[in-house]
Amino acid sequence: KQEVTQIPAALSVPEGENLVLNCSFTDSAIYNLQWFRQDPGKGLTSLLLIQSSQREQTSGRLNASLDKSSGRSTLYIAASQPGDSATYLCAVLQGAQKLVFGQGTRLTINP
Amino acid sequence: EADIYQTPRYLVIGTGKKITLECSQTMGHDKMYWYQQDPGMELHLIHYSYGVNSTEKGDLSSESTVSRIRTEHFPLTLESARPSHTSQYLCASSGEATGVKAFFGQGTRLTVV
Repeated sequence: KQEVTQIPAALSVPEGENLVLNCSFTDSAIYNLQWFRQDPGKGLTSLLLIQSSQREQTSGRLNASLDKSSGRSTLYIAASQPGDSATYLCAVLQGAQKLVFGQGTRLTINP
Repeated sequence: EADIYQTPRYLVIGTGKKITLECSQTMGHDKMYWYQQDPGMELHLIHYSYGVNSTEKGDLSSESTVSRIRTEHFPLTLESARPSHTSQYLCASSGEATGVKAFFGQGTRLTVV
């Protein structure tokens, strides 16, 4: 059974810092990996999607990498801003078309 | 912009009532999902569908049922609500290709009293 783990569970950093969020998964037979953002009480917004054949994707200040063989992905956020405060979740799409989520990292950017 | 709608956004209902949570998407996506999420906790997949007339149970056992009669519509039904069903329910959809992102609705926050 696929298990997705995110470390750390919570992170608090001053504004302007660069930071890295980690995601690991136990079964490397995935179709893609997505990073999502969730604001309190809201749904999820997809930030980046990396297909299994890709190594990284970039969108603005966000960069996500994927090392499928080692079962790891990172989300790099450059020059963090208070508006980046949210919970960040990674999810893998695996066989049977199931999207399996990690438990998330709660990020707080302090002004 | 992608559109996936959930109604109602908030629902408070008494024990024993039958409820249906609605989810609709306008993107023509084949795959649709229902997740359950308690406050501050992780998402648990409770149902998913590959397309019309296809439904599967997810990893978390749930007393709810779903149907997929039309591509755009994936309602979730609780025949007899209980306080243990109090949670947030999130609906999502995704296209057939593996390069297509998943889109989520805003969620339905259900409280059973």
